[in-house]
Amino acid sequence: DAGVTQSPTHLIKTRGQQVTLRCSPKSGHDTVSWYQQALGQGPQFIFQYYEEEERQRGNFPDRFSGHQFPNYSSELNVNALLLGDSALYLCASSLKGRVEQYFGPGTRLTVT
Amino acid sequence: AQRVTQPEKLLSVFKGAPVELKCNYSYSGSPELFWYVQYSRQRLQLLLRHISRESIKGFTADLNKGETSFHLKKPFAQEEDSAMYYCALSGNRDDKIIFGKGTRLHILP
Repeated sequence: DAGVTQSPTHLIKTRGQQVTLRCSPKSGHDTVSWYQQALGQGPQFIFQYYEEEERQRGNFPDRFSGHQFPNYSSELNVNALLLGDSALYLCASSLKGRVEQYFGPGTRLTVT
Repeated sequence: AQRVTQPEKLLSVFKGAPVELKCNYSYSGSPELFWYVQYSRQRLQLLLRHISRESIKGFTADLNKGETSFHLKKPFAQEEDSAMYYCALSGNRDDKIIFGKGTRLHILP
């Protein structure tokens, strides 16, 4: 089991563009959470998906949206990119009812 | 407000010396507390949870509800302990995790 995988590893976008990041959960996990980690900060919760629905959301604008597919994989979409969106985006998977979350390696997004 | 505070950005400790990484939290209720670690070029991983009361890689952490603290300790630091350490809390199962800003632990030879 490769654990949680994320793609791409790195991404460079221009202000105003849109980006899609992808995550495959650990085998057997059904819940996916997304976090944003700015430089020098701890990860900050964006939202969580379970049964293809957004279940919880952190303090992020509507420009951040997501999706979960029937195979439990997930996408994070960010519209109208701002310079401040530059960060490491982490995906974490878990099993419903369990508190342990397993993190992927992250996608490094740079907005220029 | 739900918050995790790690007062030290960087902690340098000599090999063989004791280590204590401080963590204080603010939460209305009874959260679950965690320590996550990120070694160089590796992904974020769970080090230990307060509820399991176990020692991992020689590290322990005691939850002090009166002082709302969850400090991470190790009696004798090893060079391989050098990493970024994040204290975190969760309200309950399936809840989001709230992280502190992290402390970089640097073990000096």
